[in-house]
Amino acid sequence: GAGVSQSPRYKVAKRGQDVALRCDPISGHVSLFWYQQALGQGPEFLTYFQNEAQLDKSGLPSDRFFAERPEGSVSTLKIQRTQQEDSAVYLCASSSGAGAFDEQFFGPGTRLTVL
Amino acid sequence: AQSVTQLDSHVSVSEGTPVLLRCNYSSSYSPSLFWYVQHPNKGLQLLLKYTSAATLVKGINGFEAEFKKSETSFHLTKPSAHMSDAAEYFCVVRGPGGSYIPTFGRGTSLIVHP
Repeated sequence: GAGVSQSPRYKVAKRGQDVALRCDPISGHVSLFWYQQALGQGPEFLTYFQNEAQLDKSGLPSDRFFAERPEGSVSTLKIQRTQQEDSAVYLCASSSGAGAFDEQFFGPGTRLTVL
Repeated sequence: AQSVTQLDSHVSVSEGTPVLLRCNYSSSYSPSLFWYVQHPNKGLQLLLKYTSAATLVKGINGFEAEFKKSETSFHLTKPSAHMSDAAEYFCVVRGPGGSYIPTFGRGTSLIVHP
């Protein structure tokens, strides 16, 4: 069965460019999370969706970051006017439920490099 | 507030010897705890999780972890390391009562020597 997929796998952007990162969760999964993983660090929470509702965006580092999940399935993380400090791996995870015990299934990530 | 500390950034073992990866957590209430493994260029994979049903949790690939409330620890162990265990390991804490935001540790890199 298909797992969580992310595209592109690698993205190089010039400083100031806008980028869009896509996440395809497992079909039917209610919850979707975005994380940012800097080199040598653990993933850090960015934002959380339950179906199409963005319930928490407290981890987004600035107003240049925006995420959406309009139909409750595919999600897009957009970064406007990219900066060098945005360089990281962006991970998407989905889970079938919304509880604290639910297993999250992770995608392979998108490695963003801002020059 | 919740937090998790992985006490070692790197652990080096020989193949066939035991593995111990240490994790301490902080949480206001009884949390749910997870261990994930990340192989190079692959997504994070769940090894095991603690959800208050049993303090000794068995996971995949021979790993297990014991929840010790008095020590606020959730250390990951394996009796005998295999070369394929070489990877990055993350301890994760999530809050009680359906709190959904997971907090990851910084990770422990497991190195396995032949």
